[in-house]
Amino acid sequence: AQKITQTQPGMFVQEKEAVTLDCTYDTSDQSYGLFWYKQPSSGEMIFLIYQGSYDEQNATEGRYSLNFQKARKSANLVISASQLGDSAMYFCAMRSSGSARQLTFGSGTQLTVLP
Amino acid sequence: KAGVTQTPRYLIKTRGQQVTLSCSPISGHRSVSWYQQTPGQGLQFLFEYFSETQRNKGNFPGRFSGRQFSNSRSEMNVSTLELGDSALYLCASSLGSVPTNEKLFFGSGTQLSVL
Repeated sequence: AQKITQTQPGMFVQEKEAVTLDCTYDTSDQSYGLFWYKQPSSGEMIFLIYQGSYDEQNATEGRYSLNFQKARKSANLVISASQLGDSAMYFCAMRSSGSARQLTFGSGTQLTVLP
Repeated sequence: KAGVTQTPRYLIKTRGQQVTLSCSPISGHRSVSWYQQTPGQGLQFLFEYFSETQRNKGNFPGRFSGRQFSNSRSEMNVSTLELGDSALYLCASSLGSVPTNEKLFFGSGTQLSVL
C-alpha cells in the first residue's frame, strides 16, 4: 500500500521569502513518481513539479524545486521568492509501478503568503 | 490548447436522485481519471478510463459508475445519492501511456451538493 503524509495543515510565509512544504511517502515499489499540485480556491489542480525515483538530480521548475531525499522517503517542495498568488492548497502525490496508474494524494498544506 | 473541461460547475441534488457529470479531456489525451475530494477524506481515486475501457477502479460502491466515449469524453454517474456524496469531483486527463511519470491535467471540478 502507498501512503503520502503531509504534516503541515497550514503554513504562513512573508512575500518574497522562501518556504518549504513537507512531504513523506511510503511505498514498497522501486519505481515511482512524486508530484506536487497546487489547488487555488477555484478548485483546479495545477501541476507544479515531478520527481522520478531514479532521477539523480532534484527537479526544478522555475521558482519551484523539489528536495528529494530517497533514503528518508521525503520529497519536500521549496518555493522561492513567494508571491501573493502562491496562496493556495498544495498537494503531494505519488504514482508507483504497482499502483495501477492512480495517484495517491496527501492531505495537503494550505499556504498563505502575507504582504 | 484547451484544458480539461468539466460540466456543470455546480450541482444541487436531493437524496435518492442520480446525477451525471461530464468531462472533456485535452485534445489527444486518451486517459480520463476521476477523483472525489471531500474535507474529511481528501482526494480519493474513483476510476480511470482509457480507449473507452475502464482500466482501473478505486474503492467506491457500485453506485459510482462511468464511461468513456470514442472521442475520449467521459461521464461519471452516481445513482441513489447519499448525503456523503457531497464533494468536489475532479476529472483529469493524460496521454495514458507511461505509468509512473505521466502528468495528470485536472479540470476545475464539479461541486456536488446533496440535500
